[in-house]
Amino acid sequence: QVQLQESGPGLVKPSETLSLTCTVSGGSVSGGGYFWSWIRQLPGRGLEWIGYIYFSGTTNYNPSLKSRATISIDTSKNQLSLKLASVTAADTAIYYCARDDSHAWFDPWGQGMLVTVAS
Amino acid sequence: QTVLTQPPSVSGAPGQRVTISCTGSNSNIGAGYDVHWYQQLPGTAPRLLIFRNINRPSGVPDRFSGSKSGTSASLAITGLQAEDEADYHCQSYDSSLSAYVFGTGTEVTVL
Repeated sequence: QVQLQESGPGLVKPSETLSLTCTVSGGSVSGGGYFWSWIRQLPGRGLEWIGYIYFSGTTNYNPSLKSRATISIDTSKNQLSLKLASVTAADTAIYYCARDDSHAWFDPWGQGMLVTVAS
Repeated sequence: QTVLTQPPSVSGAPGQRVTISCTGSNSNIGAGYDVHWYQQLPGTAPRLLIFRNINRPSGVPDRFSGSKSGTSASLAITGLQAEDEADYHCQSYDSSLSAYVFGTGTEVTVL
């Protein structure tokens, strides 16, 4: 059974870069033809898709964040990573990684990582 | 950005049937893109509940069912149980935004 686990700093200063890692266990990021996504949940409930990556390195981003988000993959470590540049308080959210099944829905999800942007 | 509209909350007594609507537009649901539903129990990550409009993953009770018509989709919960208290989110793809999009989320309360 595939499991995902996010990790990284829980506090980031405004204007700095948010960096998170997602470790995949019970399966390979290189296998099955899956894409791997980052999704965030802003305060108050709403979910926002950030972008996805394929094991080959192909990426696609939400245009609303494209200029600031970078997703990478390390197949040797079975990890994917997210960098979000120039953060502001509006980027405070719970960040999830998830497997993108059939290029359509997300299953499973990691447990999530709360990142607060504050000085 | 949230482009799929859901009611903020719905409630029902144990055993009753409740439905949650997910209203989109001609660039997402109305364009033929599938709708998927997630259940988010308090303090946990979302869990896939329905995929491709009507399909349940293994382990999801048949009390949960999905439907889609035109620019909208619905999730129905029959025989409501206390354990169904959670937030529910719909999700699709939007061609004008070139992005996966989610609904505004609905809180289900069991009275």
